[in-house]
Amino acid sequence: LAKTTQPISMDSYEGQEVNITCSHNNIATNDYITWYQQFPSQGPRFIIQGYKTKVTNEVASLFIPADRKSSTLSLPRVSLSDTAVYYCLVGDIYNQGGKLIFGQGTELSVKP
Amino acid sequence: DVKVTQSSRYLVKRTGEKVFLECVQDMDHENMFWYRQDPGLGLRLIYFSYDVKMKEKGDIPEGYSVSREKKERFSLILESASTNQTSMYLCASSPRNRGRGYTFGSGTRLTVV
Repeated sequence: LAKTTQPISMDSYEGQEVNITCSHNNIATNDYITWYQQFPSQGPRFIIQGYKTKVTNEVASLFIPADRKSSTLSLPRVSLSDTAVYYCLVGDIYNQGGKLIFGQGTELSVKP
Repeated sequence: DVKVTQSSRYLVKRTGEKVFLECVQDMDHENMFWYRQDPGLGLRLIYFSYDVKMKEKGDIPEGYSVSREKKERFSLILESASTNQTSMYLCASSPRNRGRGYTFGSGTRLTVV
C-alpha cells in the first residue's frame, strides 16, 4: 500500500491560496489520489480525486505531476471555514477487496 | 440527502461489557467501513465489508468483530470493552466503484471506564 507523507500543520490567512502537498513515492499504477476534509467532531468529507494531471471542481484543484509521486491540493482564496484537517489517500479505488489508508493529515489553520 | 447514520453520538461503557456500534446507510452502497480515530494517530481501519456477510480485517482488528447481515447495516462489536478502546469510531460507506469517495457518519465517541 502506498504510504503518504503530508505536512502536519499549515497556517494561512483569509483570501490566500493554500497548497498542501502530499508525497507518495511508491504509488502503484492502479492507484488514485483522493483528498478528504475533516472538521472537528465530524467525519471526513470527500473533496477531490484524480489519477494524473489536473482535476478541478467547485471546491478545489488537484495537481498531479507526470511521475505521480506527489500531488498538491490547492484551495483558492481560503476563508475561516476552511480551517480543518486535510487527508491525502492513495489506493486502487476499483479493487473491491482493497482498502484506503488515511495518513496523519494536515491541520490547516486559517486566520483573519 | 444521502447519509450514513451512526446509532449513538456518545457512549459510556464499563470495562468488560460487550458493546455494539451500529451504522446504517441509505445509499445502497456495497462497501462499508469502520475506522477509529485517536489524537496523533489519525484514522485507522478496523474492518471493512464489500458485500453482505463479507468482512475483511483492516489494520487494527484485534478486540473487534463485525456483522453485515443486510446491505445497509454494518455493526462493530467490542467483545469485551477495554479502556484502550476509548476512541472516536467512524463508519463510512462507498459504492463498489469508489470513484465518488467515501461518505462518513458523524462518529460515535466511546468512553470505556
